[in-house]
Amino acid sequence: DQQVKQNSPSLSVQEGRISILNCDYTNSMFDYFLWYKKYPAEGPTFLISISSIKDKNEDGRFTVFLNKSAKHLSLHIVPSQPGDSAVYFCAAGYFKGGADGLTFGKGTHLIIQP
Amino acid sequence: EPEVTQTPSHQVTQMGQEVILRCVPISNHLYFYWYRQILGQKVEFLVSFYNNEISEKSEIFDDQFSVERPDGSNFTLKIRSTKLEDSAMYFCASSVPVHYEQYFGPGTRLTVT
Repeated sequence: DQQVKQNSPSLSVQEGRISILNCDYTNSMFDYFLWYKKYPAEGPTFLISISSIKDKNEDGRFTVFLNKSAKHLSLHIVPSQPGDSAVYFCAAGYFKGGADGLTFGKGTHLIIQP
Repeated sequence: EPEVTQTPSHQVTQMGQEVILRCVPISNHLYFYWYRQILGQKVEFLVSFYNNEISEKSEIFDDQFSVERPDGSNFTLKIRSTKLEDSAMYFCASSVPVHYEQYFGPGTRLTVT
């Protein structure tokens, strides 16, 4: 079952432009959402998160938008830089009272073109 | 900056053998996790651990798997009798209670032959 979906396996963006990565979810119990960045042969690196009570969170060049009614979130990277080329994972979780596991999407490979 | 470390980076084992993957979580974190990523697939949650016991486990985490915090710094994942389908990247993660951001280690690539 794909509770977290990233429908674009890859995305190519010119350096300096905006990158928009999308994520959809089906489980309305999710309380929080996270974006991770992953380079080959490395572990996922936490980028930014958002609670379900918010619709936007910003951290430097990264902004995450959450549309709860559409069960959709997006990550905006402005401006895109060559070092942003990586696989981006959307992840979601909900509070169950302990150490709660995350559900990941399949990832989107972002390629920043010079 | 504190980080999660994992050893070994690559482990090759024969089918049926036992393996232990090791992790050192970030020192002030109290929640610990194991995830795996089979080649070409998504990252999947295996198990979480808090206060010396399993907090949550997925259906993947069957009787062949066990976790332990043998001392104040290490967190281990044991696979008792490895199968070919256990070949994957195994990631350890840790977090602070109440905060939902989880921080991942670099992973151990397990190859079962």
